[in-house]
Amino acid sequence: NAGVTQTPKFRVLKTGQSMTLLCAQDMNHEYMYWYRQDPGMGLRLIHYSVGEGTTAKGEVPDGYNVSRLKKQNFLLGLESAAPSQTSVYFCASLPSPLANQYFGPGTRLLVL
Amino acid sequence: GQQLNQSPQSMFIQEGEDVSMNCTSSSIFNTWLWYKQDPGEGPVLLIALYKAGELTSNGRLTAQFGITRKDSFLNISASIPSDVGIYFCAGQLMGEGNTGKLIFGQGTTLQVKP
Repeated sequence: NAGVTQTPKFRVLKTGQSMTLLCAQDMNHEYMYWYRQDPGMGLRLIHYSVGEGTTAKGEVPDGYNVSRLKKQNFLLGLESAAPSQTSVYFCASLPSPLANQYFGPGTRLLVL
Repeated sequence: GQQLNQSPQSMFIQEGEDVSMNCTSSSIFNTWLWYKQDPGEGPVLLIALYKAGELTSNGRLTAQFGITRKDSFLNISASIPSDVGIYFCAGQLMGEGNTGKLIFGQGTTLQVKP
């Protein structure tokens, strides 16, 4: 099993550009999450999904959209990137609500 | 939003020393988790706690779920250089059992001097 993978690993965007971050898991997990990590602030939840075809807002959803068309994939979109979205983005998945969250390796995004 | 207050923010210790860090909140949690993050990687689970008062060990690591359900601590005994990293506490609020959502502390950066 590859576990949780994230694509790309690193990206530089200009303000106003759009992009999509891909999270893929091969563990047949129902629940998937997108976090952003900023210095001194831990991980903050952006959006999450409790199953294929479902999405919900987390703590900091503004400026992001998500889709879960297939169970194994959870996409995070930035329609118009802003410098405030410079961060490290982590995806996580788990098989059930009380289980451990398995994290991907992260995507480093720099918005100029 | 809900917050977990994790302390200390950073620690610089000598190899062999014991380390203690904790998380507190004004809210009640039904699960406490402790993660470690190595540079350039995602967090990895160290210890999970599911009952108030629970004390659990994983090698040199020991963690406890506070009796009030509002706090947790992590101890590392006899630190070694590979303990370097960022340690996060995370909790699942009462009532979030169906979503799996976690709230993370700000992290404790640990540096170990050989």
